[in-house]
Amino acid sequence: AQSVAQPEDQVNVAEGNPLTVKCTYSVSGNPYLFWYVQYPNRGLQFLLKYITGDNLVKGSYGFEAEFNKSQTSFHLKKPAALVSDSALYFCAVRVPPGAGSYQLTFGKGTKLSVIP
Amino acid sequence: EAQVTQNPRYLITVTGKKLTVTCSQNMNHEYMSWYRQDPGLGLRQIYYSMNVEVTDKGDVPEGYKVSRKEKRNFPLILESPSPNQTSLYFCASSQAESSTDTQYFGPGTRLTVL
Repeated sequence: AQSVAQPEDQVNVAEGNPLTVKCTYSVSGNPYLFWYVQYPNRGLQFLLKYITGDNLVKGSYGFEAEFNKSQTSFHLKKPAALVSDSALYFCAVRVPPGAGSYQLTFGKGTKLSVIP
Repeated sequence: EAQVTQNPRYLITVTGKKLTVTCSQNMNHEYMSWYRQDPGLGLRQIYYSMNVEVTDKGDVPEGYKVSRKEKRNFPLILESPSPNQTSLYFCASSQAESSTDTQYFGPGTRLTVL
């Protein structure tokens, strides 16, 4: 069965500092990895995804994520945090077509707080 | 505007009173799904549908039903709600049976069962 772990329930970072939100995964075969963000009282919004190719993926709002196959990780990063980045972040994984269920499995979420 | 809509956005009900949460998408997506979000548990999939008249169970289907009679609509039915179904519910859709497709989420329905 596939799974996602987000080891930190909350991450605090000062505005302007780099931020990292951690994600590790477990799947059989090659993973398709996603990051979503949830602002207060809103639905989830897609940030970025890794399917294949370059391990560094760039997404919306200046975020990027690095796929590391040996460490089974897909950490979300941003060089300089903004107060408006404060939100709940979810990592998700699914397997390629034919490799198993179409189900998208989410982590438990990490609350990011950017301090002015 | 491309969107997934859910109704109602907020609902307070009592144990055992049947309810339906509607979900509609205007993007002609084939795949639709329901999730529930609970603190400390993240999002867990309830049911999903690959296309009209094709539905399947997710991780937590007990106590829920769904139907997919039309491509755009995917209602979630609670025949006899219980307090442990108090949660925040999200509907989502994506283009087709492809693992690369991103899912588009509705704004959520906050359900309280007393």
